[in-house]
Amino acid sequence: DQQVKQNSPSLSVQEGRISILNCDYTNSMFDYFLWYKKYPAEGPTFLISISSIKDKNEDGRFTVFLNKSAKHLSLHIVPSQPGDSAVYFCAVAIYNQGGKLIFGQGTELSVKP
Amino acid sequence: EPEVTQTPSHQVTQMGQEVILRCVPISNHLYFYWYRQILGQKVEFLVSFYNNEISEKSEIFDDQFSVERPDGSNFTLKIRSTKLEDSAMYFCASSWSNYNQPQHFGDGTRLSIL
Repeated sequence: DQQVKQNSPSLSVQEGRISILNCDYTNSMFDYFLWYKKYPAEGPTFLISISSIKDKNEDGRFTVFLNKSAKHLSLHIVPSQPGDSAVYFCAVAIYNQGGKLIFGQGTELSVKP
Repeated sequence: EPEVTQTPSHQVTQMGQEVILRCVPISNHLYFYWYRQILGQKVEFLVSFYNNEISEKSEIFDDQFSVERPDGSNFTLKIRSTKLEDSAMYFCASSWSNYNQPQHFGDGTRLSIL
């Protein structure tokens, strides 16, 4: 199942700089796109989302961009902080399949002081 | 902030035994889900549940699996006869709507089958 792909397993960024996490998907019929953050021994924590009719959504230091023609989703974190170090998952929701989420493999972000 | 709670945090069970994983979703949420993550793999959808019915299930969710909302607060996943390959983290999630609303996850139950 390769419908949602995060091609970078890891990313290292200096504190204060921008972190850019990327996600590609294959199905243009996906309805809703989300980013989750996960710490070890915890469940995924919702971060930010965007519906398929928008191309940008911003919440504080976090901005999600959706490029439907390229089937590409990205998460920008600026400025990055050491507490942002975690695994980040992109996910897509399919409304006519019970709202199920399909997850990417995750990208481990490390923000160095 | 309200949260999804799951018990137990770790369950060790002999192969072939039944196991019940428990979840208390966020109180005003109407949609409930189970996911699992086998070590080193993606988080995978198992089942969604709304209005006391399964609304969608994956091919993983075979006859050995069942879900129930026995009262107004709990949501359970039962595996009837566990196999070694059922060892995984199991996450419960809930949402207010399945349209443009995020699912909120519990911290999971680590299921180890011996």
